[in-house]
Amino acid sequence: AQSVTQLDSHVSVSEGTPVLLRCNYSSSYSPSLFWYVQHPNKGLQLLLKYTSAATLVKGINGFEAEFKKSETSFHLTKPSAHMSDAAEYFCVVSDRGTGGFKTIFGAGTRLFVKA
Amino acid sequence: DTAVSQTPKYLVTQMGNDKSIKCEQNLGHDTMYWYKQDSKKFLKIMFSYNNKELIINETVPNRFSPKSPDKAHLNLHINSLELGDSAVYFCASRRPGTGSTEAFFGQGTRLTVV
Repeated sequence: AQSVTQLDSHVSVSEGTPVLLRCNYSSSYSPSLFWYVQHPNKGLQLLLKYTSAATLVKGINGFEAEFKKSETSFHLTKPSAHMSDAAEYFCVVSDRGTGGFKTIFGAGTRLFVKA
Repeated sequence: DTAVSQTPKYLVTQMGNDKSIKCEQNLGHDTMYWYKQDSKKFLKIMFSYNNKELIINETVPNRFSPKSPDKAHLNLHINSLELGDSAVYFCASRRPGTGSTEAFFGQGTRLTVV
């Protein structure tokens, strides 16, 4: 069965410091993994995706994530946080379940960036 | 050139009313979805619709019904609205055939039932 666990509901960093948002997943098959960002009162925007190619995936706005199969993790990182990064971040897993492809969202991590 | 557009953006209505939220995508995708995001930001899939095949999340009350007049539209109709229906509803679409493609989301419709 699929599942996605975002290990932190809230993360607070200072501007200019690194960001780490953690995500663990479980999947019976070879999953596709995504990170989406949602700014206040906005829709969801794709940051990056992993689809069985390179395990280190680079996305928009300086974000990247590394797929680690042995750890079943897909953590999102950014070397230096910017105030505009403050938002809700969702880790998403998609793979073939018993009823076809299924997509599961994590519960979200709210990123706060302090000046 | 909005890829997935929803209307209205905000909807305030009274309990017991019937309302619809419209969704249109101009991406040529065959698969469309409706998601509900509650006050804690948790996103739950309600429906997926692919080539007239409807897959319903069994936890969704039958007061909710998707209607697809054509491949580019998937509207959400809600009967007898309840307070607990207050949430943000997102429409999304995706290319068919594989789970590895990302979904494109609309801006959301914030529904408030009073």
